[in-house]
Amino acid sequence: QKEVEQDPGPLSVPEGAIVSLNCTYSNSAFQYFMWYRQYSRKGPELLMYTYSSGNKEDGRFTAQVDKSSKYISLFIRDSQPSDSATYLCAMRAQGGSEKLVFGKGTKLTVNP
Amino acid sequence: DSGVTQTPKHLITATGQRVTLRCSPRSGDLSVYWYQQSLDQGLQFLIQYYNGEERAKGNILERFSAQQFPDLHSELNLSSLELGDSALYFCASSVVTGGTETQYFGPGTRLLVL
Repeated sequence: QKEVEQDPGPLSVPEGAIVSLNCTYSNSAFQYFMWYRQYSRKGPELLMYTYSSGNKEDGRFTAQVDKSSKYISLFIRDSQPSDSATYLCAMRAQGGSEKLVFGKGTKLTVNP
Repeated sequence: DSGVTQTPKHLITATGQRVTLRCSPRSGDLSVYWYQQSLDQGLQFLIQYYNGEERAKGNILERFSAQQFPDLHSELNLSSLELGDSALYFCASSVVTGGTETQYFGPGTRLLVL
């Protein structure tokens, strides 16, 4: 079983839709959870960062972590064509190693 | 623009050859990470350097090596290249603020091994 599983999609939605992106993981030591956005032919950029369980909101983006289910989500409200990108979840354990483990990414297209 | 620079942007070479990828971290960042991104494996951590010293190792092949120089730029050396080494190679530098570490990725080097 892979440490982090992420549905690669592709996911295609109309402009204005609510998008839900998800990852599951198997390592209970993971404490830090991130979502990166990667535009085509660019490097990943950090979108959201959460520690342990709970929700975090930033504008149209909400990140949720459910450690009991080993499940994290990213919600995008009022999606825009500029949100079209690949979204990667990433996580790491607390203390010591800074090694990030990434999901394979979900390719999202928001159609105008 | 993340502030992390990588050269070259593209590299085409043949099997068996050796190449060097270069990364300059953001000003002041001491940590440099190297990642490989391929379609089937996703983004895989290769190796981390901190202030010139190797700090963590991931799925890095023995044919690959890296170093970080006193000016903090880093190089990733890939030798005896195989077709399967074709991928995007990213470096990232990081900063810790309030106990939270954030990695900033460069634009990547696209390597094609023919």
